[in-house]
Amino acid sequence: DAKTTQPTSMDCAEGRAANLPCNHSTISGNEYVYWYRQIHSQGPQYIIHGLKNNETNEMASLIITEDRKSSTLILPHATLRDTAVYYCIVKVETSGSRLTFGEGTQLTVNP
Amino acid sequence: NAGVMQNPRHLVRRRGQEARLRCSPMKGHSHVYWYRQLPEEGLKFMVYLQKENIIDESGMPKERFSAEFPKEGPSILRIQQVVRGDSAAYFCASSPFPRPGELFFGEGSRLTVL
Repeated sequence: DAKTTQPTSMDCAEGRAANLPCNHSTISGNEYVYWYRQIHSQGPQYIIHGLKNNETNEMASLIITEDRKSSTLILPHATLRDTAVYYCIVKVETSGSRLTFGEGTQLTVNP
Repeated sequence: NAGVMQNPRHLVRRRGQEARLRCSPMKGHSHVYWYRQLPEEGLKFMVYLQKENIIDESGMPKERFSAEFPKEGPSILRIQQVVRGDSAAYFCASSPFPRPGELFFGEGSRLTVL
């Protein structure tokens, strides 16, 4: 699975959009981009994933560049409860392959 | 639909004792993953099981650790002769075949070894 690079930490004001970047320059054609988050002391939570096209769900939007070498997770209106570590993971969507968590980005939403 | 259930949520053991952590996956999920998170560290994959089969145990320590997912009942992560370095949060996740990228995690079991 391709390696990802994320900033160690980011801050965001409550009510503003949080844009979390992720670089995955060695991604291959059959690898998906997954985003998870872990709120302090809780189990990780799946957010969204995509292959090529931009994706949106009730939690967030995922923007993947045309060359697929980077992506951005967007939380449109961040709240204090969105403070968490956000993990960008690239993997092949095949049975049996595991998710490998890196260091992630600590997002702090400030009042 | 109940989520992934882990118990106990907190477990205290003395060095040399055994720890058993249980995980009941979401209904209809036949794939279970165990992850460990040491204090102030990231999540590390331990083992991936399907019903009655260990598929990938490449992240399991070679000694003292074992896992099972029987035909009936929860998945069990067993740690024999615990040491202080085993103190960690152990997370279980389940997934519905065939999308293992979307894992549903439990709230974890926190093991403290005295």
